[in-house]
Amino acid sequence: EVQLVQSRAEVKKPGESLKISCKASGYIFTSYWIAWVRQMPGKGLEWMGIIYPGDSDTRYSPSFQGQVTISADKSISTAYLQWSSLKASDTAMYYCARHIQYDSGWYGDYWGRGTLVTVPS
Amino acid sequence: SSELTQDPAVSVALGQTVRITCQGDSLRSYYATWYQQKPGQAPILVIYGRDIRPSGIPDRFSGSGSGNTASLTITGAQAEDEADYYCNSRDSSGNPWVLGGGTKLTVL
Repeated sequence: EVQLVQSRAEVKKPGESLKISCKASGYIFTSYWIAWVRQMPGKGLEWMGIIYPGDSDTRYSPSFQGQVTISADKSISTAYLQWSSLKASDTAMYYCARHIQYDSGWYGDYWGRGTLVTVPS
Repeated sequence: SSELTQDPAVSVALGQTVRITCQGDSLRSYYATWYQQKPGQAPILVIYGRDIRPSGIPDRFSGSGSGNTASLTITGAQAEDEADYYCNSRDSSGNPWVLGGGTKLTVL
């Protein structure tokens, strides 16, 4: 059974760093992309970036380039999303999702339950 | 800002058919992917490709497209279909962050 288990909720102060995780199981981690998706309170989904753990190919949405870092550790089948200096505007739910690329696009077939990050202003 | 345009809200009577649309230039060349999200839950994939439903998605969900518009149709909407629906496509560089703002579906 494919599962993506995300790290617990975090409450951090502005300026602090943070790294959240997404542990995959039930499939070959290095053969599928993992995307990170943000959902701010009461708002829609935003794809932040995507990584292929097999070769660490990483791509960022223009809206998030330079704001976050996506990485993966093949040895423990875990993807990460990290911030070096959090802002109040980073308060959101963050989902990881396994993604498959095909000739006409992408689809995310398995999703984690989300990690809520709260940065009080 | 969203590069795909969705109606913010749509309603349908129980058991009737509803079409949720998504418009954007990328849809002239690429298929839309549709996700359903219920309050407090992670999104789930409902349609991708020309009209492909993942295992477990009821066959009352279908997808179609014409020109710059993709549609998600629910034939015989059920109370459990009440949710937010998002469309998603790829950009010209092949990346998956062309997004719709979401449609809130209410089943009356």
